[in-house]
Amino acid sequence: EAQVTQNPRYLITVTGKKLTVTCSQNMNHEYMSWYRQDPGLGLRQIYYSMNVEVTDKGDVPEGYKVSRKEKRNFPLILESPSPNQTSLYFCASRVTGTDTQYFGPGTRLTVL
Amino acid sequence: EDQVTQSPEALRLQEGESSSLNCSYTVSGLRGLFWYRQDPGKGPEFLFTLYSAGEEKEKERLKATLTKKESFLHITAPKPEDSATYLCAVQAGDTGRRALTFGSGTRLQVQP
Repeated sequence: EAQVTQNPRYLITVTGKKLTVTCSQNMNHEYMSWYRQDPGLGLRQIYYSMNVEVTDKGDVPEGYKVSRKEKRNFPLILESPSPNQTSLYFCASRVTGTDTQYFGPGTRLTVL
Repeated sequence: EDQVTQSPEALRLQEGESSSLNCSYTVSGLRGLFWYRQDPGKGPEFLFTLYSAGEEKEKERLKATLTKKESFLHITAPKPEDSATYLCAVQAGDTGRRALTFGSGTRLQVQP
């Protein structure tokens, strides 16, 4: 089944404790991206990757890092999480040049 | 700066009561306007892409239309299973990175 998976689905952590949210897709998509969703603000792009080893900032990249060492994986790294990073995070992927973006199920992160 | 405004924020319909959701946008060079459906606890699911004013697309009880300033998602004779949050997003054609700018969504509830 074609899908985007994220882990963990739920995470509660404390300020400053480094964490990684994994994202994996099995559709051989070149393009992958991370969004955060906050009430009243909609989905906002954090980082995106056009292909392996090619990443760039989205609209709200501060406090986040990403890497793209393999085509299927695009982890989101929070080196020193803060409470304002409490949010619902979505990973998405698509074939470069097409419009249909496939979203993962989401990771709900709470930073205390 | 690209902006997307969706209205109403929430809409409650009786089963079979047709209505429309609005998406107003300002974007520098529209490449595409997207509609997604999001169910609680899940990632957005792609519905439609519209590229130019006057274009229309249909899927079951949903029909999306596009003008130069707004898009409408018409829901004809809705059923309870159409209950979800509907998201609108635009993609600018001149950014080079083709990120999506999302609206905050319209929460639709269809009562039997």
